[in-house]
Amino acid sequence: RKEVEQDPGPFNVPEGATVAFNCTYSNSASQSFFWYRQDCRKEPKLLMSVYSSGNEDGRFTAQLNRASQYISLLIRDSKLSDSATYLCVVTGGYNKLIFGAGTRLAVHP
Amino acid sequence: DAGVTQSPTHLIKTRGQQVTLRCSPKSGHDTVSWYQQALGQGPQFIFQYYEEEERQRGNFPDRFSGHQFPNYSSELNVNALLLGDSALYLCASSSFLAGEYEQYFGPGTRLTVT
Repeated sequence: RKEVEQDPGPFNVPEGATVAFNCTYSNSASQSFFWYRQDCRKEPKLLMSVYSSGNEDGRFTAQLNRASQYISLLIRDSKLSDSATYLCVVTGGYNKLIFGAGTRLAVHP
Repeated sequence: DAGVTQSPTHLIKTRGQQVTLRCSPKSGHDTVSWYQQALGQGPQFIFQYYEEEERQRGNFPDRFSGHQFPNYSSELNVNALLLGDSALYLCASSSFLAGEYEQYFGPGTRLTVT
Protein backbone atom coordinates (compact mmCIF):
# COMPACT_ATOMS: atom_id res chain seq x y z
CA ARG A 1 0.00 0.00 0.00
CA LYS A 2 1.30 3.47 -0.89
CA GLU A 3 1.93 5.85 2.01
CA VAL A 4 -0.14 8.59 0.37
CA GLU A 5 -2.91 7.76 -2.08
CA GLN A 6 -4.72 10.13 -4.42
CA ASP A 7 -7.16 9.79 -7.27
CA PRO A 8 -4.95 10.43 -10.33
CA GLY A 9 -7.74 12.04 -12.34
CA PRO A 10 -7.69 13.81 -14.66
CA PHE A 11 -10.49 16.05 -13.51
CA ASN A 12 -11.80 18.02 -16.48
CA VAL A 13 -14.01 20.87 -15.31
CA PRO A 14 -15.40 24.08 -16.84
CA GLU A 15 -14.38 27.49 -15.57
CA GLY A 16 -16.35 28.45 -12.51
CA ALA A 17 -16.85 24.87 -11.31
CA THR A 18 -16.14 23.62 -7.83
CA VAL A 19 -13.83 20.62 -7.64
CA ALA A 20 -12.73 18.49 -4.70
CA PHE A 21 -9.64 16.33 -4.32
CA ASN A 22 -9.20 13.65 -1.70
CA CYS A 23 -6.19 11.95 -0.27
CA THR A 24 -5.55 9.24 2.34
CA TYR A 25 -2.34 8.52 4.21
CA SER A 26 -1.19 5.42 6.03
CA ASN A 27 1.14 6.65 8.78
CA SER A 28 -0.86 7.84 11.77
CA ALA A 29 2.33 9.41 13.19
CA SER A 30 2.53 11.99 10.39
CA GLN A 31 2.68 15.46 11.88
CA SER A 32 2.28 17.94 9.04
CA PHE A 33 0.15 17.97 5.93
CA PHE A 34 0.25 20.02 2.76
CA TRP A 35 -1.09 20.48 -0.71
CA TYR A 36 1.49 21.33 -3.36
CA ARG A 37 0.80 22.46 -6.90
CA GLN A 38 2.98 21.37 -9.80
CA ASP A 39 2.76 22.84 -13.27
CA CYS A 40 3.90 20.78 -16.23
CA ARG A 41 7.67 20.16 -16.13
CA LYS A 42 8.13 22.57 -13.21
CA GLU A 43 9.01 22.12 -9.56
CA PRO A 44 6.30 21.60 -6.90
CA LYS A 45 5.23 24.73 -5.06
CA LEU A 46 3.49 24.90 -1.72
CA LEU A 47 -0.19 25.73 -2.15
CA MET A 48 -1.25 25.52 1.47
CA SER A 49 -0.72 23.75 4.75
CA VAL A 50 -3.57 21.67 6.11
CA TYR A 51 -4.81 21.83 9.70
CA SER A 52 -7.35 19.79 11.64
CA SER A 53 -9.48 22.88 12.11
CA GLY A 54 -9.59 23.38 8.37
CA ASN A 55 -8.14 26.38 6.61
CA GLU A 56 -9.08 28.58 3.74
CA ASP A 57 -7.04 30.70 1.35
CA GLY A 58 -9.23 32.58 -1.08
CA ARG A 59 -10.92 30.04 -3.32
CA PHE A 60 -9.05 27.12 -1.75
CA THR A 61 -10.16 25.21 1.34
CA ALA A 62 -8.21 22.36 2.90
CA GLN A 63 -9.38 19.94 5.54
CA LEU A 64 -7.70 17.25 7.62
CA ASN A 65 -9.39 14.35 9.39
CA ARG A 66 -6.75 12.67 11.56
CA ALA A 67 -9.07 9.92 12.75
CA SER A 68 -9.78 8.83 9.19
CA GLN A 69 -6.30 9.81 7.94
CA TYR A 70 -7.95 11.76 5.18
CA ILE A 71 -7.06 15.10 3.60
CA SER A 72 -9.14 17.14 1.18
CA LEU A 73 -8.78 20.19 -1.04
CA LEU A 74 -11.72 22.14 -2.40
CA ILE A 75 -11.30 24.65 -5.20
CA ARG A 76 -14.20 27.00 -5.81
CA ASP A 77 -14.82 29.10 -8.93
CA SER A 78 -12.13 27.31 -10.94
CA LYS A 79 -9.93 29.42 -13.21
CA LEU A 80 -8.04 28.36 -16.31
CA SER A 81 -4.86 29.11 -14.35
CA ASP A 82 -5.78 26.42 -11.79
CA SER A 83 -4.92 23.73 -14.37
CA ALA A 84 -2.05 21.79 -12.83
CA THR A 85 -1.26 18.65 -10.84
CA TYR A 86 -2.14 18.82 -7.15
CA LEU A 87 0.09 16.80 -4.84
CA CYS A 88 -1.01 15.65 -1.41
CA VAL A 89 1.95 15.61 0.99
CA VAL A 90 2.55 14.38 4.53
CA THR A 91 5.73 14.57 6.55
CA GLY A 92 7.84 11.71 7.88
CA GLY A 93 10.78 11.86 10.25
CA TYR A 94 13.06 14.93 10.07
CA ASN A 95 10.48 16.68 7.98
CA LYS A 96 10.97 14.50 4.90
CA LEU A 97 8.08 14.99 2.49
CA ILE A 98 6.03 11.99 1.38
CA PHE A 99 4.13 12.75 -1.80
CA GLY A 100 1.11 11.20 -3.39
CA ALA A 101 1.23 10.60 -7.12
CA GLY A 102 -0.82 13.72 -7.75
CA THR A 103 -4.23 14.56 -9.19
CA ARG A 104 -4.37 16.29 -12.56
CA LEU A 105 -6.83 19.13 -12.99
CA ALA A 106 -7.72 20.59 -16.37
CA VAL A 107 -10.01 23.64 -16.38
CA HIS A 108 -11.54 24.45 -19.74
CA PRO A 109 -13.38 27.56 -21.02
CA ASP B 1 17.37 36.82 -2.56
CA ALA B 2 18.19 33.82 -4.74
CA GLY B 3 16.03 30.79 -4.31
CA VAL B 4 17.17 27.21 -4.67
CA THR B 5 19.29 26.69 -7.74
CA GLN B 6 20.23 23.44 -9.45
CA SER B 7 22.63 22.52 -12.21
CA PRO B 8 22.64 21.33 -14.85
CA THR B 9 19.09 21.84 -16.12
CA HIS B 10 19.17 18.85 -18.42
CA LEU B 11 21.53 15.93 -18.78
CA ILE B 12 21.75 12.93 -21.07
CA LYS B 13 23.85 9.96 -20.00
CA THR B 14 24.40 6.39 -21.13
CA ARG B 15 23.69 3.29 -19.06
CA GLY B 16 26.57 2.45 -16.74
CA GLN B 17 27.87 6.00 -16.54
CA GLN B 18 28.05 8.14 -13.44
CA VAL B 19 26.41 11.54 -12.90
CA THR B 20 26.74 14.40 -10.41
CA LEU B 21 23.95 16.90 -9.83
CA ARG B 22 24.39 20.10 -7.86
CA CYS B 23 22.17 22.19 -5.63
CA SER B 24 22.57 25.54 -3.87
CA PRO B 25 20.03 26.11 -1.11
CA LYS B 26 18.05 29.24 -0.48
CA SER B 27 20.00 31.85 1.43
CA GLY B 28 19.88 31.14 5.16
CA HIS B 29 18.87 27.49 4.76
CA ASP B 30 20.98 24.71 6.26
CA THR B 31 19.17 21.53 5.22
CA VAL B 32 19.04 20.02 1.76
CA SER B 33 16.79 17.16 0.66
CA TRP B 34 16.86 15.36 -2.67
CA TYR B 35 13.86 13.85 -4.43
CA GLN B 36 13.44 11.78 -7.59
CA GLN B 37 10.31 12.28 -9.67
CA ALA B 38 9.62 9.74 -12.40
CA LEU B 39 7.14 10.61 -15.12
CA GLY B 40 3.57 10.55 -13.85
CA GLN B 41 4.61 10.01 -10.24
CA GLY B 42 5.04 12.19 -7.20
CA PRO B 43 8.53 13.02 -5.97
CA GLN B 44 10.20 10.25 -3.93
CA PHE B 45 12.55 11.13 -1.06
CA ILE B 46 16.15 10.07 -1.69
CA PHE B 47 18.03 11.54 1.30
CA GLN B 48 18.52 14.62 3.43
CA TYR B 49 21.70 16.40 4.46
CA TYR B 50 22.25 18.55 7.52
CA GLU B 51 25.57 19.67 9.01
CA GLU B 52 27.36 17.89 6.17
CA GLU B 53 25.95 14.51 7.14
CA GLU B 54 23.25 12.31 5.70
CA ARG B 55 20.52 12.56 8.29
CA GLN B 56 17.88 10.38 6.70
CA ARG B 57 17.65 8.16 3.66
CA GLY B 58 14.77 6.88 1.58
CA ASN B 59 14.47 3.54 -0.15
CA PHE B 60 17.19 4.05 -2.74
CA PRO B 61 20.19 1.80 -3.46
CA ASP B 62 23.76 2.66 -2.54
CA ARG B 63 24.37 3.77 -6.12
CA PHE B 64 22.81 7.00 -4.94
CA SER B 65 25.12 9.01 -2.73
CA GLY B 66 25.46 12.60 -1.74
CA HIS B 67 27.46 15.24 -0.05
CA GLN B 68 26.91 18.54 1.66
CA PHE B 69 29.59 21.20 1.73
CA PRO B 70 30.37 23.74 4.50
CA ASN B 71 28.47 26.43 2.54
CA TYR B 72 25.38 24.12 2.67
CA SER B 73 25.39 23.38 -1.04
CA SER B 74 24.95 19.74 -1.96
CA GLU B 75 25.69 17.16 -4.62
CA LEU B 76 23.83 14.05 -5.63
CA ASN B 77 25.87 11.30 -7.27
CA VAL B 78 24.44 8.33 -9.10
CA ASN B 79 26.74 5.50 -10.18
CA ALA B 80 26.17 2.73 -12.72
CA LEU B 81 23.18 4.49 -14.26
CA LEU B 82 20.15 2.43 -15.24
CA LEU B 83 17.42 3.32 -17.70
CA GLY B 84 15.07 3.53 -14.72
CA ASP B 85 17.10 6.38 -13.26
CA SER B 86 15.67 8.69 -15.91
CA ALA B 87 13.68 11.25 -13.94
CA LEU B 88 13.45 14.81 -12.70
CA TYR B 89 15.77 15.24 -9.70
CA LEU B 90 14.59 17.90 -7.30
CA CYS B 91 16.51 19.57 -4.53
CA ALA B 92 14.67 21.22 -1.65
CA SER B 93 16.07 23.36 1.13
CA SER B 94 14.80 24.36 4.55
CA SER B 95 16.14 25.77 7.80
CA PHE B 96 16.25 23.34 10.68
CA LEU B 97 18.03 25.74 13.02
CA ALA B 98 15.56 28.53 12.39
CA GLY B 99 12.64 26.14 12.76
CA GLU B 100 11.42 26.99 9.27
CA TYR B 101 10.22 23.66 8.01
CA GLU B 102 8.71 24.76 4.73
CA GLN B 103 10.77 23.23 1.96
CA TYR B 104 11.57 25.29 -1.10
CA PHE B 105 12.22 23.38 -4.30
CA GLY B 106 14.68 24.15 -7.05
CA PRO B 107 13.70 23.87 -10.71
CA GLY B 108 15.18 20.38 -10.94
CA THR B 109 17.60 18.55 -13.19
CA ARG B 110 16.04 16.40 -15.88
CA LEU B 111 18.19 13.29 -16.34
CA THR B 112 17.74 11.04 -19.34
CA VAL B 113 19.58 7.71 -19.41
CA THR B 114 19.85 6.03 -22.82
